[in-house]
Amino acid sequence: QKEVEQDPGPLSVPEGAIVSLNCTYSNSAFQYFMWYRQYSRKGPELLMYTYSSGNKEDGRFTAQVDKSSKYISLFIRDSQPSDSATYLCAMSGRGNKLVFGAGTILRVKS
Amino acid sequence: GAGVSQSPRYKVAKRGQDVALRCDPISGHVSLFWYQQALGQGPEFLTYFQNEAQLDKSGLPSDRFFAERPEGSVSTLKIQRTQQEDSAVYLCASSYLAGTGYNEQFFGPGTRLTVL
Repeated sequence: QKEVEQDPGPLSVPEGAIVSLNCTYSNSAFQYFMWYRQYSRKGPELLMYTYSSGNKEDGRFTAQVDKSSKYISLFIRDSQPSDSATYLCAMSGRGNKLVFGAGTILRVKS
Repeated sequence: GAGVSQSPRYKVAKRGQDVALRCDPISGHVSLFWYQQALGQGPEFLTYFQNEAQLDKSGLPSDRFFAERPEGSVSTLKIQRTQQEDSAVYLCASSYLAGTGYNEQFFGPGTRLTVL
């Protein structure tokens, strides 16, 4: 079993929908939780970063971390076709290396 | 402001060939990481440098993989005697700081390696 589990999708939604993406993990040492967006043939780019449990909002994006359940989520409001990409959750402990989920492919239809 | 650059962007190798992949991190970034991303998967950690010191190479899958960063800037990932299972995108990332806290990693576009 992988340290980080993420449903690969694809997830297809109409423009304007609220999107919910999530990951579960098994390593209780993880403290830093990130969401990356990756377009085809590009490197991942950081969307959101959260330390420990709690919520964080940035524009249309909200990240939630529940360490007691080992569950993290990313919500996208008013989704746009330009949001179509692969969304990767990533996490790390006290060290620097990131452990990624498999990525969820999101398609927003106009 | 240049980001992380990698070359070549695409590499096709015959099984058994040696390949070298280059990473130019953001100027002044102390930390450099290599990740391997197989098709349909998330990136997996290979190795980590702090300046020129390779502090973690626990993710290198075999002794055919070797990485270096001799002057603390540019890094090269070398794969000897390539195998078909080495086909993947190799991502390089750099971060400004080092240490046990969170330091944002900036990723390059990757090198897509195909081994025939």
